[in-house]
Amino acid sequence: EDQVTQSPEALRLQEGESSSLNCSYTVSGLRGLFWYRQDPGKGPEFLFTLYSAGEEKEKERLKATLTKKESFLHITAPKPEDSATYLCAVLRDNYGQNFVFGPGTRLSVLP
Amino acid sequence: GAGVSQSPSNKVTEKGKDVELRCDPISGHTALYWYRQSLGQGLEFLIYFQGNSAPDKSGLPSDRFSAERTGGSVSTLTIQRTQQEDSAVYLCASSLVEGAFEQFFGPGTRLTVL
Repeated sequence: EDQVTQSPEALRLQEGESSSLNCSYTVSGLRGLFWYRQDPGKGPEFLFTLYSAGEEKEKERLKATLTKKESFLHITAPKPEDSATYLCAVLRDNYGQNFVFGPGTRLSVLP
Repeated sequence: GAGVSQSPSNKVTEKGKDVELRCDPISGHTALYWYRQSLGQGLEFLIYFQGNSAPDKSGLPSDRFSAERTGGSVSTLTIQRTQQEDSAVYLCASSLVEGAFEQFFGPGTRLTVL
């Protein structure tokens, strides 16, 4: 069964303390892997799309990488405003636009 | 410009009643998606529209759930004979064209079934 898992479930960091979030997937035929940020009471906000192993994307303090089995979201010198839930999702071959989302990692950055 | 909007923002209903949830996508976006997010769970795909047609309804959990889209724009998700397990946040997203995987999400409708 296709599956997307994320770890850790929750992460507390001090401001400036860099870390990584993990998204592991077991799917037959990956078309793309996506990272979103979700603030409480709001819909997810698109961050990155990764299509193939070895690909990397960067935006401000965030960097997303992809291997054949997992993706990492690296957060460098985080600030309190980076606190949010980070979701990853995959799009699979032969499943049209049926995205499968992971449960998310809840990140808290303390000042 | 205006983003994706959803209404109502909150809906409380009694078990057995029907509810309609509305989504207004970004103007010009041809693809529209409905998701459900239960407490502590990831987003669950429900249905996808390309224009007014729904090529993928595979995520609808039962025949009590239906959705339509008119004029290539507004979409309505209808839940008939609501059950307590239907309580969740229902999110709508739109994207410019199929294959443009960047989805823009609305704020969601929080549905509570008593």
